Amino acid sequence: ELKVEQNPLFLSMQEGKNYTIYCNYSTTSDRLYWYRQDPGKSLESLFVLLSNGAVKQEGRLMASLDTKARLSTLHITAAVHDLSATYFCAVATLWDRDDKIIFGKGTRLHILP
Amino acid sequence: ETGVTQTPRHLVMGMTNKKSLKCEQHLGHNAMYWYKQSAKKPLELMFVYNFKEQTENNSVPSRFSPECPNSSHLFLHLHTLQPEDSALYLCASSHTPSGDPRDTQYFGPGTRLTVL
Repeated sequence: ELKVEQNPLFLSMQEGKNYTIYCNYSTTSDRLYWYRQDPGKSLESLFVLLSNGAVKQEGRLMASLDTKARLSTLHITAAVHDLSATYFCAVATLWDRDDKIIFGKGTRLHILP
Repeated sequence: ETGVTQTPRHLVMGMTNKKSLKCEQHLGHNAMYWYKQSAKKPLELMFVYNFKEQTENNSVPSRFSPECPNSSHLFLHLHTLQPEDSALYLCASSHTPSGDPRDTQYFGPGTRLTVL
């Protein structure tokens, strides 16, 4: 059974600081997603990572994937208040084998001005 | 309207009521999904429809009944719900030309459901 664990689940940080959110998963996968959810709003797709060593960057956010370690990271550089949100990682099982996308519990990020 | 829309945005119902949630996607996608998001729990996939055919039902109680009349519309019919069914219900869609259900999903704003 595929399990997805994010940590930390809650993070309060000051503007200008760097931090990393971790996403571990328990079985082989070839696809990992990062989503953002603002309070009271829906999920917005940030990144899709498809291969070992994949790295994607958008503004102050950078996501990477290590399929051998079954680990993805979402790195925040010089955080700004607008990045306050809940960030979810989601992992897809391999196609043709009980196709599922399993979400982590989310990391609530609160950036203090 | 663009993207994925859901109505109503908020719904309060009694345990004996019958109501329906509606989702519409304007993206030309062929797959649609219902998710339940409860406080302090991971997002839970409830149903998957691919080309109007239900391809997954994750052991969802029968008091939730999905309907997908075409690739653009998805309904979730609710009856005799329990207070623990109170949650945010999210609809999503994706484009899966090869049938791979794991393509990036685009989410609607959700329906906040409260069961009294």
